[in-house]
Amino acid sequence: QSVLTQPASMSGSPGQSITVSCTGTSRLLGGYNYISWYQQHPGKAPKLLIYDIKKRPSGVSDRFSGSISGNTASLTISGLQTEDEADYYCSSYTTATTSGVFGGGTRLTVL
Amino acid sequence: EVQLLESGGDLARPGGSLRLSCTASGSYFSSYAMGWVRQAPGKGLEWLTGISGDSDNIYYADSVKGRFTVSRDNSKNTLFLHMSSLRVEDTAKYFCGRDLMFVPAATFVFWGLGTSVTV
Repeated sequence: QSVLTQPASMSGSPGQSITVSCTGTSRLLGGYNYISWYQQHPGKAPKLLIYDIKKRPSGVSDRFSGSISGNTASLTISGLQTEDEADYYCSSYTTATTSGVFGGGTRLTVL
Repeated sequence: EVQLLESGGDLARPGGSLRLSCTASGSYFSSYAMGWVRQAPGKGLEWLTGISGDSDNIYYADSVKGRFTVSRDNSKNTLFLHMSSLRVEDTAKYFCGRDLMFVPAATFVFWGLGTSVTV
């Protein structure tokens, strides 16, 4: 069981918006930590969607956005598409302890 | 674009050792930290280790500290993971990743396809 808690599964319909939460302690999600989100399709390598809480790497759709409030980081996917059906992981790298951790992952189903 | 290719995954006995390699294409390999992440069958991602571009900063997850050793050869654009005292629970697909920065931040912009280890 990860120290970053994500819902195990979520679902949405095409065109809808959905928000995946990632809850942890202030040590993991507060202060100057590197918070990222990844997308992983079955059998594939993860893909970086969001880094530094809300920045998008080049080439990532602006339908993906990140935010944080207190000890909960969030990934919002707007205008859901069938290809968004995948597993999503949050990640935190804590400079204080120099260790990384992933959330347990959220399986998103687009109905 | 950077491409990463892992190799060295194999079947090993408990208590045994393996060495994984990750070769990167492109330039500026030494300018970025690298790391290893694994995924047990049907499970989530687990961060294992990060190493800075100059190898001066190396960090490990508690689950592998003392058993796994990360290193890199910048002249050959290659990252290594030496795994010893292997346990059944080390069975997983192992991914290497190129970090966003020179020092480890577990922010992997580029990933390999992974190599499978079965203990």
